[in-house]
Amino acid sequence: DAGVTQSPTHLIKTRGQQVTLRCSPKSGHDTVSWYQQALGQGPQFIFQYYEEEERQRGNFPDRFSGHQFPNYSSELNVNALLLGDSALYLCASSPGRDPFYGYTFGSGTRLTVV
Amino acid sequence: AQSVTQPDIHITVSEGASLELRCNYSYGATPYLFWYVQSPGQGLQLLLKYFSGDTLVQGIKGFEAEFKRSQSSFNLRKPSVHWSDAAEYFCAVGAGTYKYIFGTGTRLKVLA
Repeated sequence: DAGVTQSPTHLIKTRGQQVTLRCSPKSGHDTVSWYQQALGQGPQFIFQYYEEEERQRGNFPDRFSGHQFPNYSSELNVNALLLGDSALYLCASSPGRDPFYGYTFGSGTRLTVV
Repeated sequence: AQSVTQPDIHITVSEGASLELRCNYSYGATPYLFWYVQSPGQGLQLLLKYFSGDTLVQGIKGFEAEFKRSQSSFNLRKPSVHWSDAAEYFCAVGAGTYKYIFGTGTRLKVLA
């Protein structure tokens, strides 16, 4: 049983560019959450998608947007990249009916903005 | 405001020694509490969780944690550490609806 799959694993972008990160949830999970983990920090909640809608959002600017597809996979888009956006971006899936069931995390996408 | 504090940034223990990682939370309602482990370059793996009931919870890899409401703590313990336990450990609280708040993590080093 495949867990959470994220792509790409590593990415280098230039300041001002846009980036799209992708996530396929664990089989049977319909909820996808995105977290940003800066170096030496704990993960910070960006937003969560359920039934193709953003269900909750953390304290991130509108440059961060997302989408969930009918097959429950999800994308995270970041526009106008800043150097401070460099981080590990983690996708986590869970069953929507029990939000505190406990996430299953992917291995993340390491984004470097230069 | 909801928050999680992990007071120890780094901990070093010898293989075979016991381990306790501290976690304190601030949350107004009954908390949902979690411990995750992260190996270098990897995502987070759930070790254990507490929702209600018995305040001592057992997890994977021989870990356990005890919820103490009076101390707002949820410390992680292991009786005998193995070299493969070297990793970063994160405590998290389920805050409001759906999102987790993570602590800043404790990096564990195991001496052979």
